[in-house]
Amino acid sequence: GAVVSQHPSRVICKSGTSVKIECRSLDFQATTMFWYRQFPKQSLMLMATSNEGSKATYEQGVEKDKFLINHASLTLSTLTVTSAHPEDSSFYICSASDPVGVRGLKSPLHFGNGTRLTVT
Amino acid sequence: KNEVEQSPQNLTAQEGEFITINCSYSVGISALHWLQQHPGGGIVSLFMLSSGKKKHGRLIATINIQEKHSSLHITASHPRDSAVYICAARSQGNLIFGKGTKLSVKP
Repeated sequence: GAVVSQHPSRVICKSGTSVKIECRSLDFQATTMFWYRQFPKQSLMLMATSNEGSKATYEQGVEKDKFLINHASLTLSTLTVTSAHPEDSSFYICSASDPVGVRGLKSPLHFGNGTRLTVT
Repeated sequence: KNEVEQSPQNLTAQEGEFITINCSYSVGISALHWLQQHPGGGIVSLFMLSSGKKKHGRLIATINIQEKHSSLHITASHPRDSAVYICAARSQGNLIFGKGTKLSVKP
């Protein structure tokens, strides 16, 4: 089963509203989670690294006041797109590292199923 | 030039064919990942490599550290293998993604 759960899978919102996306690690503690954005036919682009109990680290060009990240617990990180605009429409996906390798997982990189955001 | 280059960009194969997807990188890495992205967008991690070769079912991944090159092979390809395959290099704690290879396997 999925080890990283992302919700919602799809969201349509009006311009100017805020949208919250949740990323949960289901059976391991993720001190670090990563948020990516993917435009159609483009590669994944790292937006920010979310660290439990501290401020997120944002990549160059990503507005931290627009893309609010909260990592309040070892199993949950949230990304809030504030005052969304149509150009924010994209596919957002999170990943979490499981360096300990719970359940004998051979790869410590786990992705959520992604959230397709459409801003009208 | 991108730090992680994949080829080909698109690949169409007939069911049963042997498939190779290539990944070259120009940075020092601690590991290289092969990922599979399904049409709906979900991503599955296939392999993490730091040397040599790994095999899982019909999938084989190899890496040559000296040549900074990795390959993903699919034996006896099947339409359900149709997806975008992405290599990602882990370098200095960051993941650098290739642009992906879109594979379509026809029955």
